[in-house]
Amino acid sequence: QKEVEQNSGPLSVPEGAIASLNCTYSDRGSQSFFWYRQYSGKSPELIMFIYSNGDKEDGRFTAQLNKASQYVSLLIRDSQPSDSATYLCAVNMGGFGNEKLTFGTGTRLTIIP
Amino acid sequence: DAGITQSPRHKVTETGTPVTLRCHQTENHRYMYWYRQDPGHGLRLIHYSYGVKDTDKGEVSDGYSVSRSKTEDFLLTLESATSSQTSVYFCATGGTRGQPQHFGDGTRLSIL
Repeated sequence: QKEVEQNSGPLSVPEGAIASLNCTYSDRGSQSFFWYRQYSGKSPELIMFIYSNGDKEDGRFTAQLNKASQYVSLLIRDSQPSDSATYLCAVNMGGFGNEKLTFGTGTRLTIIP
Repeated sequence: DAGITQSPRHKVTETGTPVTLRCHQTENHRYMYWYRQDPGHGLRLIHYSYGVKDTDKGEVSDGYSVSRSKTEDFLLTLESATSSQTSVYFCATGGTRGQPQHFGDGTRLSIL
């Protein structure tokens, strides 16, 4: 069974520090990787997506992908209380043409003021 | 704003009754998806559609049916609701060729 694994947390990080969220996936043929943020009682909101090995930066967010290790991470720099949320990792397993995502169960992040 | 509207936003109903949830999009996306979200399970795909009248099952499709008669509308039906179908239901669009999916605001469904 194709799986996406995340540490459920909670992960507590002081304000201003770097928060590091991790995700592993089981399908070596996966091509697309997504990070969503979900506030309590709200819908998932896309934060980052990455397709190629290496780092992709967008503002305070950096997504890192290592396909050989089947590992994708999200770094949040200068963490703010508003970053407190659950972060969902999603993977398009099986590559392009399989237009479905498999989600991890999410990591709950708390930024401590 | 991903142009996705879900209705109703909240519903309480009784076991054995039929329930239909509606997802309406304005972005003309080919792909539409229905997920349910439960504590400890994350988001799980129920059904998805890749065009008008073209649908397929996800990992938790038992007890659910879908229909898509127009590009903009994707309906999820619980023919005879059970308490195990109490959940938050999300519709999503997009996802073609590895592109991101975007989500509606969700429907909170309680079956008593």
